[in-house]
Amino acid sequence: DIQMTQSPASLSASLGETVTIECLASEDIYDILAWYQQKPGKSPQLLIYDASSLHTGVPSRFSGSGSGTQYSLKINSLQPEDFASYYCQNGLSAPLTFGSGTKLEIK
Amino acid sequence: VQLVESGGGLVQPGKSLKLSCSASGFTFSSYGMHWIRQAPGKGLDWVAYISSSSGTVYADAVKGRFTISRDNAKNTLYLQLNSLKSEDTAIYYCAREYYGYNYFDYWGQGVMVTVSS
Repeated sequence: DIQMTQSPASLSASLGETVTIECLASEDIYDILAWYQQKPGKSPQLLIYDASSLHTGVPSRFSGSGSGTQYSLKINSLQPEDFASYYCQNGLSAPLTFGSGTKLEIK
Repeated sequence: VQLVESGGGLVQPGKSLKLSCSASGFTFSSYGMHWIRQAPGKGLDWVAYISSSSGTVYADAVKGRFTISRDNAKNTLYLQLNSLKSEDTAIYYCAREYYGYNYFDYWGQGVMVTVSS
């Protein structure tokens, strides 16, 4: 199984700041990686797929990058609605594993 | 696109439960579908997948106990949960595959399954 190690587990930031969340796969996943945002009490929403492609309707302040085993999600100019939990996901092969999540909180 | 889960509840260990996911707003028969779960306060855990042609794949933790199925005439996805364990306690989400890729572009609101005596 492909293990996804996500960091940090939690992150505190201010409005307008830029933050980066990292995801490390246990083997090369050839950019077959997605990022999801989940707000409390809500279902996850797809943000990024294929490591760097923005899903329809997602603001351009979100971006994804990386290759091989190392990937990152960057959020520019944090807005109030961005404070949520974020998960990376291996899409290369079953089982489709997720990172353990990053909780982004307002400082 | 709308996905609405139902069938959750409190069940004793070793018992069974069947979840449903009613789909609308898209051609259900053309898409693979997934079940993903989230234990209280924990992260996301993929459970099972069924392709548009009804091929299935399961996570090791549920293989042999859970069965994913679909009824295209009713636009409904199912998950039969047998031999339930306390560690199966979670919110269960159904989700649509993203255009044949192993991503999830639409999710239901989730249904809670609690396994406890």
